[in-house]
Amino acid sequence: EAQVTQNPRYLITVTGKKLTVTCSQNMNHEYMSWYRQDPGLGLRQIYYSMNVEVTDKGDVPEGYKVSRKEKRNFPLILESPSPNQTSLYFCASSHDEGSYNEQFFGPGTRLTVL
Amino acid sequence: AQSVTQPDIHITVSEGASLELRCNYSYGATPYLFWYVQSPGQGLQLLLKYFSGDTLVQGIKGFEAEFKRSQSSFNLRKPSVHWSDAAEYFCAVGPHDYKLSFGAGTTVTVRA
Repeated sequence: EAQVTQNPRYLITVTGKKLTVTCSQNMNHEYMSWYRQDPGLGLRQIYYSMNVEVTDKGDVPEGYKVSRKEKRNFPLILESPSPNQTSLYFCASSHDEGSYNEQFFGPGTRLTVL
Repeated sequence: AQSVTQPDIHITVSEGASLELRCNYSYGATPYLFWYVQSPGQGLQLLLKYFSGDTLVQGIKGFEAEFKRSQSSFNLRKPSVHWSDAAEYFCAVGPHDYKLSFGAGTTVTVRA
């Protein structure tokens, strides 16, 4: 089954404790992206990747890191999480340049930073 | 820069009634427009998209949307709503620097 998977689905952590949210897709998509969803703000793009070893900032990259060492994986790293990073996070993927094609979304990761 | 406005935060509609969700965009060139739906606890699923051509676009689950360039709008419609249509709906516009910009979303409640 074609899908985007994220782990963990739920995470409660404390300020400053480094964490990684994994994202994996099995559709051989070139483009992958991370979004955060906050009430009243919709989805905002954090980082995106056009292909392996090619990443760039989205609209809200501060406090996040990403890497794209393999085509299928695009982990999101919070090196020192803060309470304002409490949010619902979505990973998405698509063929080629994401804005032209349908993006397939993962189920989301709900992160709470205390 | 591109942006999307969804004027209605929450809409309540009776089952069987028609539904229209509004979306206004700001974009300097020809936009690529999308509607996504998010069911409770789920990720986003594409309902339909507009790139060019016929301004009335058909999507999945009986939804359609009409692109009106003169009004910078891309409103989503469904003639007869089912209880399973209760969800949050997002309009999105692209591309700009390979980014997709989403609206804040409209939550649809369906009453029996």
